[in-house]
Amino acid sequence: AQSVTQPDIHITVSEGASLELRCNYSYGATPYLFWYVQSPGQGLQLLLKYFSGDTLVQGIKGFEAEFKRSQSSFNLRKPSVHWSDAAEYFCAVGAGNQGGKLIFGQGTELSVKP
Amino acid sequence: DTGVSQNPRHKITKRGQNVTFRCDPISEHNRLYWYRQTLGQGPEFLTYFQNEAQLEKSRLLSDRFSAERPKGSFSTLEIQRTEQGDSAMYLCASLSIGPNYGYTFGSGTRLTVV
Repeated sequence: AQSVTQPDIHITVSEGASLELRCNYSYGATPYLFWYVQSPGQGLQLLLKYFSGDTLVQGIKGFEAEFKRSQSSFNLRKPSVHWSDAAEYFCAVGAGNQGGKLIFGQGTELSVKP
Repeated sequence: DTGVSQNPRHKITKRGQNVTFRCDPISEHNRLYWYRQTLGQGPEFLTYFQNEAQLEKSRLLSDRFSAERPKGSFSTLEIQRTEQGDSAMYLCASLSIGPNYGYTFGSGTRLTVV
């Protein structure tokens, strides 16, 4: 069965420090992978996505993610965190044929210390 | 194009009452998805439509839940005889297939059953 694991429920980093949020997936075929961010009481905003090609993908707000097939991982990174990055981050995998449902991890809450 | 619109934003209802939520997707997107998100969890897939056809339903969608998408435009999600366990954020998304492949989420409807 398809699944997504985000091992870190909560991470705290200092403003200006680098960030890495972990995501591991289980999926039988080539996955469609996504990272979303959610502020309290809001919907999900797409940060970046990977379908094929270059395994390092760039997204909005200075985020990037690297697809590693051998590790079944799609970790999200940012070189320098800003206080406004504090939010909940979700990794998701596209299951089934193109256009099927997304399966989400349980999320990682990011807190930023001044 | 104003994105995916969901109404109402918040709904408080008494246990046992019926509620209905509406989702207006991006007009050119023919696939529409419903998810449920409880506190501290990632969104869980409920169902999705291609045009007016309901293509998949999760086992989470009990007999008390029904979704429709008449004419392949907006969609409604109805919950009959609400229970406290139905309290959650209900998210709608629509899918763009093509060069800008991706799911766009609405801001959600927060349901509180008292």
